[in-house]
Amino acid sequence: QQQVKQSPQSLIVQKGGIPIINCAYENTAFDYFPWYQQFPGKGPALLIAIRPDVSEKKEGRFTISFNKSAKQFSLHIMDSQPGDSATYFCAASPIPPRTNAGKSTFGDGTTLTVKP
Amino acid sequence: DAGVTQSPTHLIKTRGQQVTLRCSPISGHKSVSWYQQVLGQGPQFIFQYYEKEERGRGNFPDRFSARQFPNYSSELNVNALLLGDSALYLCASSLGLDTSYEQYFGPGTRLTVT
Repeated sequence: QQQVKQSPQSLIVQKGGIPIINCAYENTAFDYFPWYQQFPGKGPALLIAIRPDVSEKKEGRFTISFNKSAKQFSLHIMDSQPGDSATYFCAASPIPPRTNAGKSTFGDGTTLTVKP
Repeated sequence: DAGVTQSPTHLIKTRGQQVTLRCSPISGHKSVSWYQQVLGQGPQFIFQYYEKEERGRGNFPDRFSARQFPNYSSELNVNALLLGDSALYLCASSLGLDTSYEQYFGPGTRLTVT
């Protein structure tokens, strides 16, 4: 049973466009929702994260929108650049005092290509 | 400041062999988690260690084991390697148990089993 479903699998946008990547989760015990960026041959790098007490969070060109009732969250990349071309993963995790707070559940990733 | 470091970078093993992967967390971080990332998929949780104790285990067979040392570094061991164990093995560190959900990943060890 896949607990975090991510879409689309791949995405191509022009420079300056706003790619949107969506994730849906099932486990209501999840309290922390990070997004990671991964380049080929590298480990995932934490981009931005949100807790369910807010509906939106912005950091630079990256924005997370969160819909607790729908159990969905999304990543928006404003003014996308070719250097943003990478694989993006959403994830979800419980936080203390819940158990398994160190266990993140990941989506299967979205490969983003930003064309010049 | 150095991030999470992992060694070796790449490794090629034969079916049935055993492998040990190593991880050093960010300085000051006491929690280490291990993940397996198969090509084209997201990382899958294997273990979490905090203060040398196992605090979480994913759905992996007993061929997988790990430990954490007093300096908070960690080793992941995989016995009786199968072709399906070929993957990128990622180590993630967190400051402590209360913040174990905030994870910072290393570059990974690419394991190829032939």
